Order: sequence, then C-alpha cells, then structure tokens
Amino acid sequence: GDSVTQMEGPVTLSEEACLTINCTYTATGYPSLFWYVQYPGEGLQLLLKATKADDKGSNKGFEATYRKETTSFHLEKGSVQVSDSAVYFCALTSVNQGGKLIFGQGTELSVKP
Amino acid sequence: EPEVTQTPSHQVTQMGQEVILRCVPISNHLYFYWYRQILGQKVEFLVSFYNNEISEKSEIFDDQFSVERPDGSNFTLKIRSTKLEDSAMYFCASRTGRAPSGNTIYFGEGSWLTVV
Repeated sequence: GDSVTQMEGPVTLSEEACLTINCTYTATGYPSLFWYVQYPGEGLQLLLKATKADDKGSNKGFEATYRKETTSFHLEKGSVQVSDSAVYFCALTSVNQGGKLIFGQGTELSVKP
Repeated sequence: EPEVTQTPSHQVTQMGQEVILRCVPISNHLYFYWYRQILGQKVEFLVSFYNNEISEKSEIFDDQFSVERPDGSNFTLKIRSTKLEDSAMYFCASRTGRAPSGNTIYFGEGSWLTVV
C-alpha cells in the first residue's frame, strides 16, 4: 500500500544552519504531497504542498520539490531559527487513498541559539 | 482565516467510561476525518465521513468508536468504553473536496485524551 518514510530524528541544529529533512514515498498513481508542522503543544499545521511532479511548495522559508523520478519530497530551509523547533510530518494523499492522508513517522527538529 | 475547532482540549477519564470529542469543521467543507496520535508516535487515520456516512475506517476504528454529525456544524467522535490504550491526541480534520485545493486537509488543535 501507499506509504511515507522520513528520516529519523531528532535533528539538532544551530541557528542559521541549513536544514534538510528527507522524505520518500511509495504510491500507485499520482499522489499529492504535503509537509505538516506540529509546534510544541499545538496541532498540525499545513506547511506546504505540491500536487504534481516538479512542483515546488514553499512557505515561511521552507521549500520542497516533488521529485517523481526519486519518489521524494525533501524539506529544506537555508537558515533555521529557534522558532522552527517542531515536529515535521511528510504526508501524501491520492485517489487510491480516498482523499485521506498517509503520514510519515515525523521528524523532530530542535534548533539551538 | 477559517479553522477547525475542537473541544475539549484535554480530557481525563476513567477506564470504561464513555467519551465524546467534539469538532466544528470549516463551514464549507464536505469531507471530515478523525486521526489520532499516541504520544511520540505517528499520526494514524481513524475514519473519514462524507455525505452523512462513514466512507472509510481503519482497523483501529472498532465497535467501540462511532462518529456522528448531529447537525450542520458539529462532528463528534464517541468512544463507548475507554481503554488505557485509547490515551492519545485526537485530531479532527476537514477538506472542501472542491478544486483547486480540494484535497488539502486542515486540522484542528487536537483533543488530548488521558484514560486512567
């Protein structure tokens, strides 16, 4: 079945460091891909999305490109801030999934001053 | 900006008790969901609801669980007889289903259920 795999956390970075959180997926058909963020004590917020191959989603300095050839949707940011500390979830949805989201296991990011 | 709202934010209940978690989805949305997240684990799909009926449910969503949309705005999740392993954060979510962003799902802040 469809699935999402993320890199293991926690990831600890210093402020202004570059971030990459790897995400790969397995899906039949043409899924849409999402990154959600969960700040401490809060719910899930949509960070960015891409609906077809080669689309780039971006928001708050974060970017991710839908790579069909490598079935990947890696999350990147050039310069992280302490306020970016959160758990990041990669997810997909597709017609095969009836519109529901399939989540990866989440990657915790901790940014130190 | 419209948002999904959930109540209560936190509930503590004794094992065997019934719990109802409430949600108000975004007003023009047509598809509704419940997910749960056990502490430190991934977010798991429980059930989806469309056109006043369940459209899909996971293995987790057994006979102890039920959902209802009693009026035009609320969407509830009931757990009939709670177990310790039901302790989790429960997220309500919704999507419009209409282009161009009909497949984007929006989540509430979650209801943290602790079963003791």
